[in-house]
Amino acid sequence: DTGVSQDPRHKITKRGQNVTFRCDPISEHNRLYWYRQTLGQGPEFLTYFQNEAQLEKSRLLSDRFSAERPKGSFSTLEIQRTEQGDSAMYLCASSLLGQGLNEQFFGPGTRLTVL
Amino acid sequence: QKEVEQDPGPLSVPEGAIVSLNCTYSNSAFQYFMWYRQYSRKGPELLMYTYSSGNKEDGRFTAQVDKSSKYISLFIRDSQPSDSATYLCAMSAGRSAGNNRKLIWGLGTSLAVNP
Repeated sequence: DTGVSQDPRHKITKRGQNVTFRCDPISEHNRLYWYRQTLGQGPEFLTYFQNEAQLEKSRLLSDRFSAERPKGSFSTLEIQRTEQGDSAMYLCASSLLGQGLNEQFFGPGTRLTVL
Repeated sequence: QKEVEQDPGPLSVPEGAIVSLNCTYSNSAFQYFMWYRQYSRKGPELLMYTYSSGNKEDGRFTAQVDKSSKYISLFIRDSQPSDSATYLCAMSAGRSAGNNRKLIWGLGTSLAVNP
């Protein structure tokens, strides 16, 4: 499978625990995005990388959230001291930013439940 | 006011009906207009895109952009139960906006096509 992959697909954790999600983008894609989606809502932008550089972070991304893309390939999203309000689907997408359409290809998401 | 407005529905139609989905937007810099389809518990997938104004047809799907009214539409002809999903509009600025061509998303419209 050469699409975007995310791991784990589901995560259940207790409030206050730390969690880390991984995203493997399509190999030649230079941009990688993290979104959060709750039921009945469109994806909410969290942050994006161009190669290894994190170019933008949403105001939604509190200090408890951190993302990395150390070698410009896979990325991790860590949430520290999880809260019940963090329960959501976390989506990763990648794109190849060129001259035309910046089409984003999405992974299947990681569904986080904070008890 | 949000940059992109989309009626979340839900929309319920009988099989074979023509479905019309719409989004309005406020940013005149938007040049790329996309429709993503999202099945339950899956990531969004690109269905159609249009650059600037005009119509684009692909099988049973037609995308329309009216930049003067800042209004985009997706039409589905001869709708099928397999079309039941959430349809998300997304848009971004063109190359003149520089490298930051982040997608701005609508909330998504939930569609159910009943056999």
